[in-house]
Amino acid sequence: DVKVTQSSRYLVKRTGEKVFLECVQDMDHENMFWYRQDPGLGLRLIYFSYDVKMKEKGDIPEGYSVSREKKERFSLILESASTNQTSMYLCASNRQSSGNTIYFGEGSWLTVV
Amino acid sequence: AQSVTQLGSHVSVSEGALVLLRCNYSSSVPPYLFWYVQYPNQGLQLLLKYTSAATLVKGINGFEAEFKKSETSFHLTKPSAHMSDAAEYFCAVSGGPSGFGNEKLTFGTGTRLTIIP
Repeated sequence: DVKVTQSSRYLVKRTGEKVFLECVQDMDHENMFWYRQDPGLGLRLIYFSYDVKMKEKGDIPEGYSVSREKKERFSLILESASTNQTSMYLCASNRQSSGNTIYFGEGSWLTVV
Repeated sequence: AQSVTQLGSHVSVSEGALVLLRCNYSSSVPPYLFWYVQYPNQGLQLLLKYTSAATLVKGINGFEAEFKKSETSFHLTKPSAHMSDAAEYFCAVSGGPSGFGNEKLTFGTGTRLTIIP
């Protein structure tokens, strides 16, 4: 069974803190993604990675960075958290093949106070 | 560039009635289209997908969707709503066959489905 695991389901951080959101997949997928979900806006792509150490900006990369040192792990980093980054963050992964089904984790609820 | 428009952010239907959730897409290449469902406090689960084979696609939990190129639509239907169908539904489009960046999904803003007993 496919599994995308996000290590933290609920986090509360202070403005200015550095925040790490971790994601691990056990399906040997080449692609990994970080999306942000906000009411009325749907899911918006922050960053994606198509290989180890490779990354591409998505639609809303400002204020975020990512790290992919191993194929199974993709980290989202908020260098200096701000209140407008309070949101639900969803990690996902898929294979680089036709059909493109993306598998999602359970999500991480981040509140910045 | 690709985009998805979901008409109706909230839809309510009676239990046993037809469910119809609307999705229109825009894509400069032949698209792959998806419907995902999200239950409260959970991630997204794939309901069904269109990948240029049959235009009528059947998914899990009795849902189906029809790809209509002439209308650029991919509406989701279910003949008879069940209370367990209450959730948020997202339509998404990707850039077609595999290739650098084509696997990314662009999502609509979602439709929250409420089932009335």
